Amino acid sequence: DGGITQSPKYLFRKEGQNVTLSCEQNLNHDAMYWYRQDPGQGLRLIYYSQIVNDFQKGDIAEGYSVSREKKESFPLTVTSAQKNPTAFYLCASSISGQTEAFFGQGTRLTVV
Amino acid sequence: RKEVEQDPGPFNVPEGATVAFNCTYSNSASQSFFWYRQDCRKEPKLLMSVYSSGNEDGRFTAQLNRASQYISLLIRDSKLSDSATYLCGQAGGTSYGKLTFGQGTILTVHP
Repeated sequence: DGGITQSPKYLFRKEGQNVTLSCEQNLNHDAMYWYRQDPGQGLRLIYYSQIVNDFQKGDIAEGYSVSREKKESFPLTVTSAQKNPTAFYLCASSISGQTEAFFGQGTRLTVV
Repeated sequence: RKEVEQDPGPFNVPEGATVAFNCTYSNSASQSFFWYRQDCRKEPKLLMSVYSSGNEDGRFTAQLNRASQYISLLIRDSKLSDSATYLCGQAGGTSYGKLTFGQGTILTVHP
């Protein structure tokens, strides 16, 4: 089955620790995105990438880092510098930067 | 100013009603527009892309008004199952490939 896979679905981390969220797609999409969603809020763009080995900061990149070493993979690291990391994180991909995007099922991160 | 703005609602309508949502965008360079539906604690799913000529899919109609920089979504004959959050998105405004969304509009359809 083609699609976007995010793992894990739920993640708990201790304050001060870095954590990496996985996002893999087998749709052969060039563009990939990471969003954060807080309760009752819309999607806020963290990072996006149009091609391998290239990515751009979104609107709330501080405290996050990404890599795009392979077309299929776009992992997101939430660093200890992110002050309020508890949120629902969504990864998406699209054929190109101008076409509709499809989302993974998301990862719920809780800092304890 | 946010790139995309929506009225968060909530909109509470009876079954069978017609309801419309608007979404404004700030950058005239925006290239592509979309409506997504998000159920509680789930990922957003594409409802429809929005084309310059407008497009319709069953009970759903999307329109784009470039002069006034807004897109709209019209839902006719609302069903209970239409209850969800509706997100509008735009791509290519401030930067090629940057896909951003509004804060979402909550719709509740009641019997």
